[in-house]
Amino acid sequence: AQKVTQAQTEISVVEKEDVTLDCVYETRDTTYYLFWYKQPPSGELVFLIRRNSFDEQNEISGRYSWNFQKSTSSFNFTITASQVVDSAVYFCALSDSPVNRDDKIIFGKGTRLHILP
Amino acid sequence: DSGVTQTPKHLITATGQRVTLRCSPRSGDLSVYWYQQSLDQGLQFLIQYYNGEERAKGNILERFSAQQFPDLHSELNLSSLELGDSALYFCASSVAGAGETQYFGPGTRLLVL
Repeated sequence: AQKVTQAQTEISVVEKEDVTLDCVYETRDTTYYLFWYKQPPSGELVFLIRRNSFDEQNEISGRYSWNFQKSTSSFNFTITASQVVDSAVYFCALSDSPVNRDDKIIFGKGTRLHILP
Repeated sequence: DSGVTQTPKHLITATGQRVTLRCSPRSGDLSVYWYQQSLDQGLQFLIQYYNGEERAKGNILERFSAQQFPDLHSELNLSSLELGDSALYFCASSVAGAGETQYFGPGTRLLVL
């Protein structure tokens, strides 16, 4: 069964600190896709990254970086030098093999991140 | 701005009523998805349409229905509303499906009194 676990419900850090948001997933498929979305206080869901299961290279985008480790079924997200604008709820999500013809995304419960000035 | 539009932004109604939420996907996207976000259930997939046809169903109640029209916009109909239906309803779209990035609209916040 598909499952996404974000064990950290809420995290608070002081501005400029680095912070890592954990994500552990479960799937029986060999082909799958992982996502991170950000939900700021305004409520919209903003796409951050998509990674397929065959690409284990870490990715960096500005202050954001992602560490994908198939061996531990984890797809962690790190914000470097955090800023107050990073305060939001962050969701990790999983989409399984296209063979299933079921394209839904399974979301984790989210991690609420507070960046304190 | 994701390019996905949803109307209305807010909706307040009473129990037992029926409402319709509307979604216009990004230009060129054939798949539309509906999700419900509530405090206790988190973000839950409701239903997906691809090019006018239902493709996948999730935790959608029988009181809820959806459709996708020839111009690819979609409507989610919620009937016999209950207090527990109060939630944020998101529409998302993607080019086709199958692991592609889904871009989300701003959501419709429904409050059932």
